[in-house]
Amino acid sequence: EDKVVQSPLSLVVHEGDTVTLNCSYEVTNFRSLLWYKQEKKAPTFLFMLTSSGIEKKSGRLSSILDKKELSSILNITATQTGDSAIYLCAARPFNAGNMLTFGGGTRLMVKP
Amino acid sequence: SQTIHQWPATLVQPVGSPLSLECTVEGTSNPNLYWYRQAAGRGLQLLFYSVGIGQISSEVPQNLSASRPQDRQFILSSKKLLLSDSGFYLCAWSVSGMSYNEQFFGPGTRLTVL
Repeated sequence: EDKVVQSPLSLVVHEGDTVTLNCSYEVTNFRSLLWYKQEKKAPTFLFMLTSSGIEKKSGRLSSILDKKELSSILNITATQTGDSAIYLCAARPFNAGNMLTFGGGTRLMVKP
Repeated sequence: SQTIHQWPATLVQPVGSPLSLECTVEGTSNPNLYWYRQAAGRGLQLLFYSVGIGQISSEVPQNLSASRPQDRQFILSSKKLLLSDSGFYLCAWSVSGMSYNEQFFGPGTRLTVL
């Protein structure tokens, strides 16, 4: 059975801090790993990672995949209160249905 | 551009009552469609997915069912709700096929079963 585990479960930091969120996966026929940010309702897409060792970057957020370690990290530098959210990672195998297996999420709270 | 709608936004139902949640997608054809449930503040559990009209795959055995009567319509149903059915239900879509596609989520329905 495919499994995705995120750590930590929750995190409280102050504005300006840098945070690293972890995601590990056990997925048969792994294809890619996705990161989402969920603030109030719908998760919004952040990154999709397919190749190991290649960093993807968007502003203060960056993410990288390590296929050898079956893991990924999401970094947020110079955090702001608007970064407060649940961050979800999901692993996608090769399959016709494009199904994702989600981790339990990391709840990040950034205090002013 | 593509948009995804869900309704109702919130729902309070007694135990044993029926359920029908609806999801529709606009601006695309033959999408893959998904129903997820999210427990309070936690990750998403895939309930059902569909690659076409009338084609439903269930990931978790339970008292819920799904149907896809039209290409861009996905319905989640139950004949008798349980307390454990409470949660946040999210519908999502992705471009069909095995290509490099992320899923896009609807606004969700918060269901409380009393």
